[in-house]
Amino acid sequence: DQQVKQNSPSLSVQEGRISILNCDYTNSMFDYFLWYKKYPAEGPTFLISISSIKDKNEDGRFTVFLNKSAKHLSLHIVPSQPGDSAVYFCAASPYYSGGGADGLTFGKGTHLIIQP
Amino acid sequence: EAGVTQSPTHLIKTRGQQATLRCSPISGHTSVYWYQQALGLGLQFLLWYDEGEERNRGNFPPRFSGRQFPNYSSELNVNALELEDSALYLCASSARDSTEAFFGQGTRLTVV
Repeated sequence: DQQVKQNSPSLSVQEGRISILNCDYTNSMFDYFLWYKKYPAEGPTFLISISSIKDKNEDGRFTVFLNKSAKHLSLHIVPSQPGDSAVYFCAASPYYSGGGADGLTFGKGTHLIIQP
Repeated sequence: EAGVTQSPTHLIKTRGQQATLRCSPISGHTSVYWYQQALGLGLQFLLWYDEGEERNRGNFPPRFSGRQFPNYSSELNVNALELEDSALYLCASSARDSTEAFFGQGTRLTVV
């Protein structure tokens, strides 16, 4: 049973437009959510996170929105740039920032392709 | 500052053999995590080591094991390899009790 779902295996967006990556989860115990970005032949790199007490967290071009009642979060990238082309993983943890990464449950990832 | 490093980058083994994967964490990080990413699946948590002790393990059989050395580097051992063990194995490190893990580039294990 997949507890973290990224239902879009791939997403194509034109350069300069907004990219919206979606993630749904089923476990109500999840309290902390993270997005990771992965280039080919590299490990995932941490991008942005949000705790369950917030509904929005912004860092430059990246904003994560959390809707706890819908068990849904999304990552917005504005404006999209060619270097944003990568696989994006959504991850969730039951630990409110005080636990370890052993609690992380990852989605299968969404391959974002930025078209010039 | 060096990131998390893993070796080897690629490893090909025959079914039934043993594989050993290595990981060096970021300097100052005491926790090391191992994840498996099989084809078409998300990252699955395997093992967590901190201060030389196994702290938690995921839903994997006992033939997946490992250890952490005094310098906090870690080994993942997979015994009696099966074809289904073919995957990308990622190591991550973090400061103690931090959820923000930093990943290495992974070891691609192929079992034939």
